[in-house]
Amino acid sequence: AQSVAQPEDQVNVAEGNPLTVKCTYSVSGNPYLFWYVQYPNRGLQFLLKYITGDNLVKGSYGFEAEFNKSQTSFHLKKPSALVSDSALYFCAVNDYKLSFGAGTTVTVRA
Amino acid sequence: DTGVSQDPRHKITKRGQNVTFRCDPISEHNRLYWYRQTLGQGPEFLTYFQNEAQLEKSRLLSDRFSAERPKGSFSTLEIQRTEQGDSAMYLCASRLTNSPLHFGNGTRLTVT
Repeated sequence: AQSVAQPEDQVNVAEGNPLTVKCTYSVSGNPYLFWYVQYPNRGLQFLLKYITGDNLVKGSYGFEAEFNKSQTSFHLKKPSALVSDSALYFCAVNDYKLSFGAGTTVTVRA
Repeated sequence: DTGVSQDPRHKITKRGQNVTFRCDPISEHNRLYWYRQTLGQGPEFLTYFQNEAQLEKSRLLSDRFSAERPKGSFSTLEIQRTEQGDSAMYLCASRLTNSPLHFGNGTRLTVT
Protein backbone atom coordinates (compact mmCIF):
# COMPACT_ATOMS: atom_id res chain seq x y z
CA ALA A 1 0.00 0.00 0.00
CA GLN A 2 1.11 3.52 -0.71
CA SER A 3 1.41 5.91 2.21
CA VAL A 4 2.89 9.17 3.40
CA ALA A 5 4.04 10.27 6.82
CA GLN A 6 4.31 13.74 8.28
CA PRO A 7 6.72 13.49 11.21
CA GLU A 8 5.86 16.85 12.78
CA ASP A 9 2.46 17.62 14.29
CA GLN A 10 3.27 21.31 14.55
CA VAL A 11 5.66 23.79 13.00
CA ASN A 12 6.10 27.28 14.42
CA VAL A 13 7.99 30.01 12.61
CA ALA A 14 8.29 33.77 12.71
CA GLU A 15 6.91 35.80 9.85
CA GLY A 16 9.57 36.37 7.21
CA ASN A 17 11.51 33.23 8.10
CA PRO A 18 11.73 30.15 5.89
CA LEU A 19 9.03 27.53 6.37
CA THR A 20 9.53 23.81 5.85
CA VAL A 21 6.88 21.12 6.33
CA LYS A 22 8.21 17.59 6.12
CA CYS A 23 6.76 14.57 4.33
CA THR A 24 8.15 11.13 3.61
CA TYR A 25 6.55 8.57 1.34
CA SER A 26 6.38 4.84 0.84
CA VAL A 27 5.28 3.70 -2.60
CA SER A 28 5.92 0.99 -5.10
CA GLY A 29 6.76 2.39 -8.49
CA ASN A 30 6.74 6.06 -9.35
CA PRO A 31 5.13 8.28 -6.75
CA TYR A 32 2.47 10.86 -7.50
CA LEU A 33 2.71 13.28 -4.58
CA PHE A 34 0.59 16.23 -3.55
CA TRP A 35 0.36 18.97 -0.96
CA TYR A 36 -2.92 20.42 0.22
CA VAL A 37 -3.72 23.17 2.73
CA GLN A 38 -6.80 23.39 4.96
CA TYR A 39 -8.10 26.49 6.71
CA PRO A 40 -10.52 26.19 9.67
CA ASN A 41 -13.92 24.76 8.76
CA ARG A 42 -13.01 24.59 5.10
CA GLY A 43 -12.20 21.88 2.60
CA LEU A 44 -8.72 21.17 1.36
CA GLN A 45 -7.10 23.37 -1.27
CA PHE A 46 -4.58 22.02 -3.76
CA LEU A 47 -1.10 23.57 -3.52
CA LEU A 48 1.12 21.56 -5.82
CA LYS A 49 1.91 18.13 -7.21
CA TYR A 50 4.85 16.04 -8.33
CA ILE A 51 4.31 13.57 -11.14
CA THR A 52 7.64 13.42 -12.91
CA GLY A 53 10.35 15.74 -14.14
CA ASP A 54 12.07 18.46 -12.13
CA ASN A 55 12.62 17.64 -8.50
CA LEU A 56 11.67 21.19 -7.47
CA VAL A 57 7.97 21.81 -7.98
CA LYS A 58 6.46 25.28 -7.72
CA GLY A 59 2.89 25.76 -6.59
CA SER A 60 0.34 28.25 -5.35
CA TYR A 61 0.91 31.12 -2.89
CA GLY A 62 4.71 31.02 -3.22
CA PHE A 63 5.05 27.43 -2.03
CA GLU A 64 7.40 24.90 -3.55
CA ALA A 65 8.29 21.31 -2.79
CA GLU A 66 11.43 19.29 -3.29
CA PHE A 67 11.18 15.67 -4.35
CA ASN A 68 14.11 13.58 -3.10
CA LYS A 69 14.07 10.00 -4.31
CA SER A 70 17.04 8.80 -2.27
CA GLN A 71 15.51 10.09 0.96
CA THR A 72 11.91 9.27 -0.11
CA SER A 73 10.90 12.78 0.89
CA PHE A 74 8.70 15.50 -0.50
CA HIS A 75 9.12 18.50 1.80
CA LEU A 76 7.03 21.64 1.35
CA LYS A 77 8.89 24.94 1.52
CA LYS A 78 8.31 28.64 1.45
CA PRO A 79 11.24 31.06 1.55
CA SER A 80 9.45 33.75 3.58
CA ALA A 81 6.41 32.77 5.65
CA LEU A 82 3.38 35.00 6.17
CA VAL A 83 0.96 35.06 9.10
CA SER A 84 -1.74 34.10 6.59
CA ASP A 85 0.10 30.82 5.91
CA SER A 86 -1.02 29.58 9.31
CA ALA A 87 -3.13 26.52 8.52
CA LEU A 88 -3.16 22.72 8.44
CA TYR A 89 -1.03 21.16 5.72
CA PHE A 90 -1.43 17.67 4.29
CA CYS A 91 0.88 15.60 2.16
CA ALA A 92 -0.80 12.94 0.00
CA VAL A 93 0.09 10.14 -2.38
CA ASN A 94 -2.04 9.07 -5.30
CA ASP A 95 -2.86 5.77 -6.88
CA TYR A 96 -6.53 5.90 -7.92
CA LYS A 97 -7.39 7.75 -4.71
CA LEU A 98 -5.45 10.12 -2.49
CA SER A 99 -4.09 8.82 0.79
CA PHE A 100 -3.29 11.61 3.22
CA GLY A 101 -0.84 12.06 6.02
CA ALA A 102 -2.03 13.08 9.46
CA GLY A 103 -1.31 16.74 8.81
CA THR A 104 1.00 19.40 10.18
CA THR A 105 -0.31 22.52 11.86
CA VAL A 106 1.69 25.55 10.83
CA THR A 107 1.65 28.65 12.99
CA VAL A 108 3.38 31.77 11.73
CA ARG A 109 3.77 34.43 14.41
CA ALA A 110 3.96 38.10 13.63
CA ASP B 1 -16.68 26.56 -12.43
CA THR B 2 -18.49 27.03 -9.17
CA GLY B 3 -16.46 24.45 -7.30
CA VAL B 4 -17.61 21.44 -5.34
CA SER B 5 -20.72 22.18 -3.30
CA GLN B 6 -21.84 20.27 -0.21
CA ASP B 7 -25.11 20.52 1.65
CA PRO B 8 -25.75 20.96 4.51
CA ARG B 9 -22.67 22.60 6.06
CA HIS B 10 -23.65 21.43 9.52
CA LYS B 11 -25.94 18.69 10.76
CA ILE B 12 -26.80 17.90 14.35
CA THR B 13 -28.75 14.72 14.90
CA LYS B 14 -29.67 12.38 17.70
CA ARG B 15 -28.19 8.93 17.95
CA GLY B 16 -30.21 6.43 15.97
CA GLN B 17 -31.51 8.88 13.38
CA ASN B 18 -30.73 8.71 9.67
CA VAL B 19 -28.95 11.52 7.86
CA THR B 20 -28.25 12.24 4.20
CA PHE B 21 -25.64 14.55 2.74
CA ARG B 22 -25.45 15.86 -0.80
CA CYS B 23 -22.47 16.70 -2.98
CA ASP B 24 -22.53 18.53 -6.28
CA PRO B 25 -19.19 18.08 -8.04
CA ILE B 26 -17.59 20.27 -10.67
CA SER B 27 -19.73 19.55 -13.69
CA GLU B 28 -17.20 18.03 -16.05
CA HIS B 29 -15.49 15.87 -13.43
CA ASN B 30 -16.02 12.15 -13.91
CA ARG B 31 -14.70 11.00 -10.54
CA LEU B 32 -16.29 11.76 -7.20
CA TYR B 33 -14.89 10.84 -3.79
CA TRP B 34 -16.14 10.83 -0.21
CA TYR B 35 -13.75 11.23 2.70
CA ARG B 36 -14.23 11.45 6.44
CA GLN B 37 -12.08 13.66 8.64
CA THR B 38 -11.96 13.69 12.42
CA LEU B 39 -10.31 16.37 14.52
CA GLY B 40 -6.54 16.34 14.22
CA GLN B 41 -6.48 13.70 11.52
CA GLY B 42 -6.07 13.62 7.79
CA PRO B 43 -9.02 12.77 5.56
CA GLU B 44 -9.79 9.05 5.36
CA PHE B 45 -11.05 7.59 2.10
CA LEU B 46 -14.60 6.21 2.19
CA THR B 47 -15.66 5.55 -1.38
CA TYR B 48 -15.43 6.79 -4.93
CA PHE B 49 -17.39 6.84 -8.15
CA GLN B 50 -16.37 6.96 -11.75
CA ASN B 51 -19.40 8.44 -13.46
CA GLU B 52 -22.32 6.56 -11.88
CA ALA B 53 -20.37 3.42 -10.94
CA GLN B 54 -19.22 3.00 -7.36
CA LEU B 55 -15.78 1.45 -7.80
CA GLU B 56 -14.52 1.03 -4.26
CA LYS B 57 -15.74 1.16 -0.69
CA SER B 58 -13.37 1.40 2.25
CA ARG B 59 -13.76 -1.03 5.12
CA LEU B 60 -14.49 2.12 7.16
CA LEU B 61 -17.83 2.22 5.36
CA SER B 62 -20.02 -0.06 7.46
CA ASP B 63 -23.37 -1.43 6.35
CA ARG B 64 -25.00 1.66 7.84
CA PHE B 65 -23.39 3.83 5.17
CA SER B 66 -24.53 4.00 1.58
CA ALA B 67 -23.57 6.28 -1.25
CA GLU B 68 -25.11 6.87 -4.64
CA ARG B 69 -24.36 8.90 -7.69
CA PRO B 70 -27.36 8.64 -9.99
CA LYS B 71 -26.69 9.57 -13.59
CA GLY B 72 -23.10 10.39 -12.74
CA SER B 73 -23.90 13.87 -11.49
CA PHE B 74 -24.52 14.73 -7.82
CA SER B 75 -23.92 12.20 -5.06
CA THR B 76 -25.56 11.44 -1.74
CA LEU B 77 -24.08 9.82 1.34
CA GLU B 78 -26.59 8.34 3.78
CA ILE B 79 -25.84 7.16 7.29
CA GLN B 80 -28.50 5.03 8.94
CA ARG B 81 -28.91 4.62 12.70
CA THR B 82 -26.22 7.16 13.47
CA GLU B 83 -23.80 6.57 16.32
CA GLN B 84 -21.71 9.07 18.26
CA GLY B 85 -18.62 7.71 16.55
CA ASP B 86 -20.00 8.95 13.24
CA SER B 87 -19.41 12.54 14.34
CA ALA B 88 -16.90 13.96 11.87
CA MET B 89 -16.46 16.20 8.86
CA TYR B 90 -17.58 14.50 5.67
CA LEU B 91 -15.72 15.79 2.64
CA CYS B 92 -16.64 15.39 -0.99
CA ALA B 93 -14.14 15.87 -3.79
CA SER B 94 -14.15 15.54 -7.56
CA ARG B 95 -11.61 15.32 -10.32
CA LEU B 96 -10.94 14.43 -13.87
CA THR B 97 -8.82 11.31 -14.24
CA ASN B 98 -5.18 12.09 -13.33
CA SER B 99 -5.93 15.65 -12.23
CA PRO B 100 -5.84 17.03 -8.67
CA LEU B 101 -8.78 16.54 -6.36
CA HIS B 102 -11.03 19.55 -5.76
CA PHE B 103 -12.69 19.49 -2.36
CA GLY B 104 -15.91 20.95 -1.09
CA ASN B 105 -16.11 22.69 2.28
CA GLY B 106 -17.55 19.60 3.92
CA THR B 107 -20.54 18.69 6.05
CA ARG B 108 -19.88 18.64 9.78
CA LEU B 109 -21.97 15.97 11.49
CA THR B 110 -22.55 16.00 15.22
CA VAL B 111 -24.36 13.02 16.73
CA THR B 112 -25.70 13.68 20.24
